[in-house]
Amino acid sequence: QKEVEQDPGPLSVPEGAIVSLNCTYSNSAFQYFMWYRQYSRKGPELLMYTYSSGNKEDGRFTAQVDKSSKYISLFIRDSQPSDSATYLCAMTPQGGSEKLVFGKGTKLTVNP
Amino acid sequence: DAGITQSPRHKVTETGTPVTLRCHQTENHRYMYWYRQDPGHGLRLIHYSYGVKDTDKGEVSDGYSVSRSKTEDFLLTLESATSSQTSVYFCAISKPPGSGNTIYFGEGSWLTVV
Repeated sequence: QKEVEQDPGPLSVPEGAIVSLNCTYSNSAFQYFMWYRQYSRKGPELLMYTYSSGNKEDGRFTAQVDKSSKYISLFIRDSQPSDSATYLCAMTPQGGSEKLVFGKGTKLTVNP
Repeated sequence: DAGITQSPRHKVTETGTPVTLRCHQTENHRYMYWYRQDPGHGLRLIHYSYGVKDTDKGEVSDGYSVSRSKTEDFLLTLESATSSQTSVYFCAISKPPGSGNTIYFGEGSWLTVV
């Protein structure tokens, strides 16, 4: 079993839809959870960061962590065509960033 | 903007030739990283540095070497490029403690080995 599993999609939704992106993981030591957004031919950019369990909201984006289920989610409300990108989850245990483990990414297309 | 500049941004080279990719940061961060990203594999850590002259291997370090003689520069060298090293390479930095082990990426260097 891979440490981090992420459905690659592709996921296609109409503009205005609520999008749910998910990752599961196997390492119970993971403490820090991130979501990155990557536009085509660009570097990943940090979108959301959460420590341990709980929710975090930033505008139209909400990140959720359920450590008991080893499951993290990113919700995008009122999705826009500009949200079309690949979304990568990432996580790490306590310690250095060199231990960061990435999911393979989910490609999202929001259709006008 | 993470203050990271990668060069060259695109390069085509022949099998067996040496290649050096440069990463330059403007914010004086201690930790720097080199990743490669490939379809089906995602982002994989090649090498990282935790200070001048302090480097360590990542998940896929075979065939790569790195050097860091100044805080702001982190070089990735392919001693003898192979077609399997055709990839997009990302440099990254991590910001000071309190940032939750988050890292910030550069724009990427596209390398094709023919």
